[in-house]
Amino acid sequence: QSVLAQPPSASGTPGQRVTISCSGSSSNIGTNFLYWYQLLPGTAPKLLIYRNNQRPSGVPDRFSGSRSGTSASLAISGLRSEDEADYYCATWDDGLRGVVFGGGTKLTVL
Amino acid sequence: QITLKESGPTLVKPTQTLALTCTFSGFSLTSGVGVGWVRQPPGKALEWLGLIFWNDDFRYSPSLKSRLTITKDTSKNQVVLTMTNMVPVDTGTYFCAHTRYTYGFGYFDNWGQGTPVTVSS
Repeated sequence: QSVLAQPPSASGTPGQRVTISCSGSSSNIGTNFLYWYQLLPGTAPKLLIYRNNQRPSGVPDRFSGSRSGTSASLAISGLRSEDEADYYCATWDDGLRGVVFGGGTKLTVL
Repeated sequence: QITLKESGPTLVKPTQTLALTCTFSGFSLTSGVGVGWVRQPPGKALEWLGLIFWNDDFRYSPSLKSRLTITKDTSKNQVVLTMTNMVPVDTGTYFCAHTRYTYGFGYFDNWGQGTPVTVSS
């Protein structure tokens, strides 16, 4: 079981706004930066959000991240079919002294 | 343009040692830069393995640190992951990725395409 809890699945229709949650603890999300990655089938992970809410250049502003206490969320607005992918949150855990990933959320665009 | 590519055996036998090489271009392992390793077992979540920075500072997954070694060859622009005593649950796709110390652990902004590794007799 992952240290960071994510819902296994999420879905939305084109144009909709969806959010994916990531729940942790004071030793990880509560203390350290949170990152979000997108995995399209058969491709390498892509960094979507770093330092809780920063977007790398080239990532559309439809993607946004937030953190509150020991939880974080990724919001995708104006949902598109190409957003159908697996999404992972990640951060450093002070207790485990390692990077931890969430279990991943499979986003389906209906 | 930053690129990374993993290479190594696709099939290893149980108890053998795996050695994977990450060859990169578009950056050098100089101040603030590092390379990390992440794997994904079939149908499962991403799992962080470890990373090494320009100054030889390194971090390993606590659950795997007894089996892992990550080294760098700056002159060849390569980072090598060695994992001993391989078992079938180590089967998966192994990725290397570029990271920057100042952006925190967990930050990987450029990734290799990944290389599949199967552990089977």
